[in-house]
Amino acid sequence: GAGVSQSPSNKVTEKGKDVELRCDPISGHTALYWYRQSLGQGLEFLIYFQGNSAPDKSGLPSDRFSAERTGGSVSTLTIQRTQQEDSAVYLCASSEQGSSYEQYFGPGTRLTVT
Amino acid sequence: KNEVEQSPQNLTAQEGEFITINCSYSVGISALHWLQQHPGGGIVSLFMLSSGKKKHGRLIATINIQEKHSSLHITASHPRDSAVYICAVGGSNYKLTFGKGTLLTVNP
Repeated sequence: GAGVSQSPSNKVTEKGKDVELRCDPISGHTALYWYRQSLGQGLEFLIYFQGNSAPDKSGLPSDRFSAERTGGSVSTLTIQRTQQEDSAVYLCASSEQGSSYEQYFGPGTRLTVT
Repeated sequence: KNEVEQSPQNLTAQEGEFITINCSYSVGISALHWLQQHPGGGIVSLFMLSSGKKKHGRLIATINIQEKHSSLHITASHPRDSAVYICAVGGSNYKLTFGKGTLLTVNP
């Protein structure tokens, strides 16, 4: 079956612009995660959605970052007024439920802020 | 000190060698994950375990909850095993905390 998909695969944007990154999780997976992988850094948790519960946004680095998940499926991560330090690979993952279940990762979106 | 420490950071091996990558963590966990990331590629989940040992083909993962330690072993290593291997731990909530990864290079 189809895995987790993300779009775009690459995004180059100018400092100060807004960007939207999209994630399509595996059908039926109720848990969706966003992570960020910066050059030279490990993976870091950004936000978690589980079913209809309020998302855990505790990993978002600033109020310029926000995310939505519509209809319990597709998710969009929005970064407003991008900064150069936002350059990273943004990864989405989904699982049947929480971290006690295996997570399936998307291919990521490489964001470059110039 | 990071909550998840991996060693070594870099590992170079010859094809056919037995490889071990270690992961130590300092927090209570409900599950530990081993992930694989090929250069320029996506992340693949290799194992999720909370006790004992699991085996998939040439890969073996073990965990010792009392010692807060896990190992990933690769038997009869092959150049296609070259990748970054990442250890991640999940606690009573759903968040994963990641190690910085081990870069494995297997030479033919």
